[in-house]
This record gives sequence, C-alpha cells and structure tokens, in this order.
Amino acid sequence: GQNIDQPTEMTATEGAIVQINCTYQTSGFNGLFWYQQHAGEAPTFLSYNVLDGLEEKGRFSSFLSRSKGYSYLLLKELQMKDSASYLCAAWDSNYQLIWGAGTKLIIKP
Amino acid sequence: GAVVSQHPSRVICKSGTSVKIECRSLDFQATTMFWYRQFPKQSLMLMATSNEGSKATYEQGVEKDKFLINHASLTLSTLTVTSAHPEDSSFYICSARGGLEAGGPRDEQFFGPGTRLTVL
Repeated sequence: GQNIDQPTEMTATEGAIVQINCTYQTSGFNGLFWYQQHAGEAPTFLSYNVLDGLEEKGRFSSFLSRSKGYSYLLLKELQMKDSASYLCAAWDSNYQLIWGAGTKLIIKP
Repeated sequence: GAVVSQHPSRVICKSGTSVKIECRSLDFQATTMFWYRQFPKQSLMLMATSNEGSKATYEQGVEKDKFLINHASLTLSTLTVTSAHPEDSSFYICSARGGLEAGGPRDEQFFGPGTRLTVL
C-alpha cells in the first residue's frame, strides 16, 4: 500500500532550527510536497521536490532522497507564527497526492 | 500563485437539510478539482476527484448519493451534502489542478480556504 510517515508532534524554541522528517512508500513517484496548515485554515504550499537534494527558500528548506524514500523540511530562525501543522504529501505515478497525517509544530518562547 | 475560492466559508444547518459548497478557480482553468474532508487533528481525506464535464470519481467509503459533485465548467465545482447529519460536520476543502500556466510545478494543486460545516 501507499503510506506517508511523519512525526505527530514536535516542539522547538523561538529562534532555533527544527527538522521535520517524512518517509514515503508510493506506487511510483512524481515529487514530494510540503504544506503548512494553521488551525482552521486550508493548507498553503511551501515546497516541491522532485530531484534529490536540498531546495532552499528563505527560512525554509526542503530535502529529498528518492533512493531512501525520505524528505525533510528544515525551518530556521523559528518564529511564533511558524506554529502550525506541516503536511508531507507525495505524488504517485498517477499524480494522485498521498498525504501524511501532518506534524504539529509547537514553538515556545 | 493561482487562486482558488470557496463559498461559503462557514455554514451551520439543521439536520436533514442540504448544503451546497462552491469551489472556483479565479485565474486559471482547472481541468481537475478535488474535494477533501478533514476532521480535527487528522489529515486531509480525499473524497472525490472531478474532471470538467464528466462524473466524479469517489474514493472508497464515500457515498456518491450523499455527496453530490458537479464540475460544470473549468472554473467551478460544487459539492452538495444532501440530508446532512451531525456526523457530516467537518472542514471541507477543495483544490484545483491547472496546467503549466498556473505558475507552480507541473499540475500542482491549489487549495481553497475551506468551508467549516456544522450540522446541528
């Protein structure tokens, strides 16, 4: 079956760095997305990786290793507004999104 | 990026009534639209995929006669929850998939803001 695994919850301190891991098993693979979702709101797009390596976008970076079925989202210089759920999702061979359950990130002052 | 709107953002209705939710792609043509449901502290659950001009494809366990989906144009899809019950209370989110002109990675999905449905 198809599956996405990510930690349920993480806690970090304002100003610090946090890495949220995601492993996936899908029927075929056409890329991996990270979304941010604040409580009561729809997800917003953060990143898309289809090639191996690190993609940096401001305070957020996303890494992909296709051979390992592994990705991470790296958040630097954490701010209180970064408290949210972070959803990992992968495209399978039919471009259907397979979703993880999300990682709730709690930022403490 | 591309913009997807949903209306209404919140709706409260009595048990047994029907509720229609609209999803519009404002600045691109969406050949495919997706409807998701999300319960508190859970991930998005795909309910159905609809392609313009054809019948929606429902995920296993989703009643097609209860959740009516119409995708009449390239910019509009509607989800009607018929004879709503309290267990239908949830956060309903649509997304639309466009082409390369949408500005994101190939066929990226763009999400609407969601509709909070409360059935009393």
